Amino acid sequence: DGGITQSPKYLFRKEGQNVTLSCEQNLNHDAMYWYRQDPGQGLRLIYYSQIVNDFQKGDIAEGYSVSREKKESFPLTVTSAQKNPTAFYLCASTQLPGQDIHEQYFGPGTRLTVT
Amino acid sequence: RKEVEQDPGPFNVPEGATVAFNCTYSNSASQSFFWYRQDCRKEPKLLMSVYSSGNEDGRFTAQLNRASQYISLLIRDSKLSDSATYLCAVNYRGGKLIFGQGTELSVKP
Repeated sequence: DGGITQSPKYLFRKEGQNVTLSCEQNLNHDAMYWYRQDPGQGLRLIYYSQIVNDFQKGDIAEGYSVSREKKESFPLTVTSAQKNPTAFYLCASTQLPGQDIHEQYFGPGTRLTVT
Repeated sequence: RKEVEQDPGPFNVPEGATVAFNCTYSNSASQSFFWYRQDCRKEPKLLMSVYSSGNEDGRFTAQLNRASQYISLLIRDSKLSDSATYLCAVNYRGGKLIFGQGTELSVKP
């Protein structure tokens, strides 16, 4: 089955620790995205990548880092510099033919709790 | 002004009602528009893409008004299972989608 997988589903960390969230897709999509969602709020873009070995900051990139070494994978590291890391993290991907943007498809998300 | 804004919720409607959500966007150059459905503690799932001519999928109708820069979602004959949060998304420069904050719908028996 084609899709986007995120692991783990739930993650608990102590304050001050870096943590890496996994996102893998087998849809052969060009672009991948990381969003953060806080309770009762919409999605805020953290980072995105349209091509391997290249990525751009979104609206709230501070305290986060990413890599895109393979087309299928776009891991997100939440560093200790992120002030309020507890949130629901969603990974998405889409095709990018030319300048059009197609719909994004989401993985099941990772709920990160930092205490 | 936010780039994408949705009707504040929640919307509480009885089963069988018709309900409409609006979503306004600020970038007149936006080309692609989408409605997503998000169930509690789950990921958003694509409900409909919104085309210039408007489009319909069963009980759901999506429309685009470029002149006034808004999109709408109409749900007819609401079911209990329609209860969810509905997110609109609008494309922005650089291949990004901007999401609204979501409108919660609660359908009651």
